[in-house]
Amino acid sequence: EVQLVESGGDLVQPGRSLRLSCTVSGVTFGDYAMSWFRQAPGKGLEWVGLIRSNIYGGTTQYAASVRGRFTISRDDSKSIAYLQMNSLKIEDTAVYYCGRGSAFFDYWGQGTLVTVSS
Amino acid sequence: EVVLTQSPDFQSVTPKEKVTITCRASQTIGYNLHWYQQKPDQSPKLLIKYASQSISGVPSRFSGSGSGTDFTLTINSLEAEDAAAYYCHQSNSFPQTFGQGTRLEIK
Repeated sequence: EVQLVESGGDLVQPGRSLRLSCTVSGVTFGDYAMSWFRQAPGKGLEWVGLIRSNIYGGTTQYAASVRGRFTISRDDSKSIAYLQMNSLKIEDTAVYYCGRGSAFFDYWGQGTLVTVSS
Repeated sequence: EVVLTQSPDFQSVTPKEKVTITCRASQTIGYNLHWYQQKPDQSPKLLIKYASQSISGVPSRFSGSGSGTDFTLTINSLEAEDAAAYYCHQSNSFPQTFGQGTRLEIK
């Protein structure tokens, strides 16, 4: 059974950093791209970015709203994808999800809440 | 950036009714359009990929159609468990984008 589990969500002050993890089991992690999304309270889904598999160079793409502040990485030996979030803003407050894939997302984690507030 | 506009934003429907949700893209995206269902306090679930391709385990009452700029998600014979928000999503170009969502309420 494929499972994705996010962790690392927390309450942080504006300007601070936070790293989220997405631990994957039940599948050969290295074969897949991984994507991140977020959903602000009561709002819709927003694509944050993705990291391709190392077969495709492990390259990344980001939404304009996070480019330069957020970084996606992966550790295939641990089956974990990371979302490093720097210079956090109040508007980054959301539930953050990871998903398997780069075009469509057939498995999702349960989400982890990031609250940015002073 | 490709803007996806869904209609309606909200619909209240009765069981066994047929529901149609549309998604219009601001520029042509081929068949690179996917549909998700999100129930309250749950993660999104993939319903349809590449406009019309079915997903294993998804009930056959869910179907998709369209290409280019106009897409449709159809739910035949709605069931109470279909109460949820539905989102279209395009992967044709970066940044990938989602529609604003359509919330279905079951009467």
